Amino acid sequence: GAGVSQSPSNKVTEKGKDVELRCDPISGHTALYWYRQSLGQGLEFLIYFQGNSAPDKSGLPSDRFSAERTGGSVSTLTIQRTQQEDSAVYLCASSIQSNYGYTFGSGTRLTVV
Amino acid sequence: GESVGLHLPTLSVQEGDNSIINCAYSNSASDYFIWYKQESGKGPQFIIDIRSNMDKRQGQRVTVLLNKTVKHLSLQIAATQPGDSAVYFCAEKHVRGAQKLVFGQGTRLTINP
Repeated sequence: GAGVSQSPSNKVTEKGKDVELRCDPISGHTALYWYRQSLGQGLEFLIYFQGNSAPDKSGLPSDRFSAERTGGSVSTLTIQRTQQEDSAVYLCASSIQSNYGYTFGSGTRLTVV
Repeated sequence: GESVGLHLPTLSVQEGDNSIINCAYSNSASDYFIWYKQESGKGPQFIIDIRSNMDKRQGQRVTVLLNKTVKHLSLQIAATQPGDSAVYFCAEKHVRGAQKLVFGQGTRLTINP
């Protein structure tokens, strides 16, 4: 596609449930990033994929968070046993190489009730 | 620790005036800097970038200035328009280490008619 696509755009879930957030990067972009943005805050790095290299998971806040990238394209961020503090906008971005700027998707707004 | 921050959380200017948004960074090893614009409900949008071998770069109505001596970055927007109202983030990337952008907290720019 022309841009980074994320789905769903909004997700409301009950505390304790698992959620999956999807990101479709720009075709040909080898680098893919997940960030989290809490209300009125900056962007918090979560995880980074570059080609076939092992992902940089240094930003994942707990072991309830995981992500995978299948076939070097689509990525899924999974949050298990969601907590209220997980409520935020989850942003995905991709870049043609890691040395360039990112193109962001519109994000998934997650609300845990 | 490493951080990218902004001097002012909010900025209001009259339509047609010029605006300057400032950013301080703490890691002298950073070699790549980007300004992003984020409108309500959307993902951050790339505005302009600059590498550490430059001190100034111009785009359409925007100029980024980099002062490596004092580790300061600024975004100048000329002849502001209502559509410039948004939150602006600076971000930096380190030349060594993890290939991810570190974002500041953001400045909300409001253009008054």
